[in-house]
Amino acid sequence: DAGVTQSPTHLIKTRGQQVTLRCSPKSGHDTVSWYQQALGQGPQFIFQYYEEEERQRGNFPDRFSGHQFPNYSSELNVNALLLGDSALYLCASSGARVLKETQYFGPGTRLLVL
Amino acid sequence: DQQVKQNSPSLSVQEGRISILNCDYTNSMFDYFLWYKKYPAEGPTFLISISSIKDKNEDGRFTVFLNKSAKHLSLHIVPSQPGDSAVYFCAAREITSGTYKYIFGTGTRLKVLA
Repeated sequence: DAGVTQSPTHLIKTRGQQVTLRCSPKSGHDTVSWYQQALGQGPQFIFQYYEEEERQRGNFPDRFSGHQFPNYSSELNVNALLLGDSALYLCASSGARVLKETQYFGPGTRLLVL
Repeated sequence: DQQVKQNSPSLSVQEGRISILNCDYTNSMFDYFLWYKKYPAEGPTFLISISSIKDKNEDGRFTVFLNKSAKHLSLHIVPSQPGDSAVYFCAAREITSGTYKYIFGTGTRLKVLA
């Protein structure tokens, strides 16, 4: 049973560029949430996708956008990168049908903006 | 305005002894709580959860206690092992309009000394 997978594992970009991160949820899961974890902080909720729609959004600017595909995989896009966007980006999957299903995390993508 | 707080950034415990990690929250509408363990360069790994209708949940060496009146939960690890050395995050679930998100604390770094 494959867990949550993310790609790439590491990424280096320069300010102003755009980046796309990818996530495949755990088998049987249909909900994908994205988090940003800055150094020394806990994961901060960016947004959640279910049925190819954004269901909830945290306190992040519109530069952060996402997409969910019919196979439940998801992408996180960040435009006009800032130095402060350097962080570990985590994807977590869960099942929406059973509300008590917990979230399982992928290994993350470490983004460095220079 | 941090709704989930882990006030101890670090904790050192001798192998074989009990580790107690604490978490406080402010939102009485949180209905589900999770503990995650995170090793460097990995995503958070789910450890144990507790519903707000319970006050204790146990899984092997891990026990989570919830005190709703104090808005406090704790994770007990007995006996502590060197492999338990990691950063531990507590997370609380908030349900809004039929959707949910998790809010994380800033983490406590546990070091178990051999």
